[in-house]
Amino acid sequence: LAKTTQPISMDSYEGQEVNITCSHNNIATNDYITWYQQFPSQGPRFIIQGYKTKVTNEVASLFIPADRKSSTLSLPRVSLSDTAVYYCLVGDGGAAGNKLTFGGGTRVLVKP
Amino acid sequence: DAGVTQSPTHLIKTRGQQVTLRCSPKSGHDTVSWYQQALGQGPQFIFQYYEEEERQRGNFPDRFSGHQFPNYSSELNVNALLLGDSALYLCASSRLAGGLPTGELFFGEGSRLTVL
Repeated sequence: LAKTTQPISMDSYEGQEVNITCSHNNIATNDYITWYQQFPSQGPRFIIQGYKTKVTNEVASLFIPADRKSSTLSLPRVSLSDTAVYYCLVGDGGAAGNKLTFGGGTRVLVKP
Repeated sequence: DAGVTQSPTHLIKTRGQQVTLRCSPKSGHDTVSWYQQALGQGPQFIFQYYEEEERQRGNFPDRFSGHQFPNYSSELNVNALLLGDSALYLCASSRLAGGLPTGELFFGEGSRLTVL
């Protein structure tokens, strides 16, 4: 399974855009990139998933360069409720199942 | 549509005891994975069940075992509890059969185990 590296923590302010970059240099051809959000004492919640280029949904965008060795989660106009830990995961979501390896995550603190 | 439900939410055990945690997957899901999350750490994969069989396993000792029932619900059993087993145990469900490959897991709120 590909290992991921992401910043330990980030601070931001309400209304700003937050970008979290994750490195996954040994990503495999059939690996997807998935981001999860976790609040204290709750289970992680799926944010977004992508394979290449750009993916956008109602809460975030995911930018993946052509070499797929990194990815950037973009949270537009964050609010205080976006304070959480964000995990970048890389893994085969296909026939091998959904065995995903969580790293330490990035603790995002949104300040007023 | 109920999401993933886990029970109990909290429990306290002593060293050497055994514990059973339960999980009901999201409706329509057929795969259940279990994760252990120590305080301040990311979730660590324990194992995954599909079609009532353990399909994949993480780096956990045999003290950790599980079961999946015909209705797709699952149990996690931990024997001979150690202090280090204190953690939040998360159950996640997904649909492995059919559709496009997806890494989207739906997690429950977890069972907080404290071993004294």
